[in-house]
Amino acid sequence: EADIYQTPRYLVIGTGKKITLECSQTMGHDKMYWYQQDPGMELHLIHYSYGVNSTEKGDLSSESTVSRIRTEHFPLTLESARPSHTSQYLCASSLNREGSPLHFGNGTRLTVT
Amino acid sequence: AQKITQTQPGMFVQEKEAVTLDCTYDTSDPSYGLFWYKQPSSGEMIFLIYQGSYDQQNATEGRYSLNFQKARKSANLVISASQLGDSAMYFCAMRERNQAGTALIFGKGTTLSVSS
Repeated sequence: EADIYQTPRYLVIGTGKKITLECSQTMGHDKMYWYQQDPGMELHLIHYSYGVNSTEKGDLSSESTVSRIRTEHFPLTLESARPSHTSQYLCASSLNREGSPLHFGNGTRLTVT
Repeated sequence: AQKITQTQPGMFVQEKEAVTLDCTYDTSDPSYGLFWYKQPSSGEMIFLIYQGSYDQQNATEGRYSLNFQKARKSANLVISASQLGDSAMYFCAMRERNQAGTALIFGKGTTLSVSS
């Protein structure tokens, strides 16, 4: 069973809308991440966090923002959705320890029309 | 420059056969970690195996083993006795110590198809 939860699983939304993708983990992990993945392609890091009140941008430029007010919660927000944001968004968490794998949620498949 | 290279877009294997998925990496840091993940068509990412750069022995986890050749900077995944359920996309990933906290860098993936 999953210890990291993403909602919604699927989202279809019109251009210009503000959306928030939710991610929560129950493992007490300090580190959390957001990756973007187009179908059949590699994952690109867009945001990560070392802990509460810590957020950093990843390698892929993104128009989204994140917050980390609680250890278990790491939501991603798009202020104004565009068709180019259509993709899968994967949230992950890990211990702050070398060799610790990332644990991924099931992802949110976003379609912007 | 690409840090993780997976040169096989697709691989085909029959049930019960072994298959090797290639991965080469590029880093100047002496301390790093290599991971393999499986992504079925349902989309979730499943952690398979980890190899640390200082580990003397190749990592093994059940039917998965990692053929780690440090001098060649390769970390190939070997799946023994393939099963139909192994059909999925497989990603090699690396974490560098000098970028600790910047998460994993992923390769482009290899699609494995197992037939009966």
